[in-house]
Amino acid sequence: DQQVKQNSPSLSVQEGRISILNCDYTNSMFDYFLWYKKYPAEGPTFLISISSIKDKNEDGRFTVFLNKSAKHLSLHIVPSQPGDSAVYFCAAHSQGSNYKLTFGKGTLLTVNP
Amino acid sequence: NAGVMQNPRHLVRRRGQEARLRCSPMKGHSHVYWYRQLPEEGLKFMVYLQKENIIDESGMPKERFSAEFPKEGPSILRIQQVVRGDSAAYFCASSPDGNANTEAFFGQGTRLTVV
Repeated sequence: DQQVKQNSPSLSVQEGRISILNCDYTNSMFDYFLWYKKYPAEGPTFLISISSIKDKNEDGRFTVFLNKSAKHLSLHIVPSQPGDSAVYFCAAHSQGSNYKLTFGKGTLLTVNP
Repeated sequence: NAGVMQNPRHLVRRRGQEARLRCSPMKGHSHVYWYRQLPEEGLKFMVYLQKENIIDESGMPKERFSAEFPKEGPSILRIQQVVRGDSAAYFCASSPDGNANTEAFFGQGTRLTVV
């Protein structure tokens, strides 16, 4: 059973436009959410996170929104740059197991010049 | 400050052989996690270790897989009698404490191919 779902395997956007990556989860015990970025042949790199007590967190061009009632979060990148092209993973953990991340399958973002 | 170091980067094993994957955490980190990524899948938690202790191995297959993090040296993930289904990317992460909120840092992974 997939507790963290990224339903779009891929997304293509033009440079300068907004990229919106979506993530849904089913486990109501999740209380912390993270986004990782991964280039080919490299490990995931932490991007941004959000606690369940918040509904928005912003860091430069990256903003994560959390809708707890819908069990949905999204990552907004604006403006998108070609260097943002990578696989983006949504991950979550629960308070009782805050060392154990549950990952989605990832979304391949391609930003076209 | 070197990041999490994994070696080898690529490992090819024949069915039935043993695979040993090594992970040296970041300096000052005493918590290590192993994840496996099968093709077209997300990363899946395998095991969480502190120095000389296995804290949670709930994601480890019951047979053939073992992990250790000795007092000295790297953490080792061992897969005995490998099968084709073990082919995957294995990622190690480390953190200064046992809290993923502190943004565990991942290594570049070891890509295991079983032929």
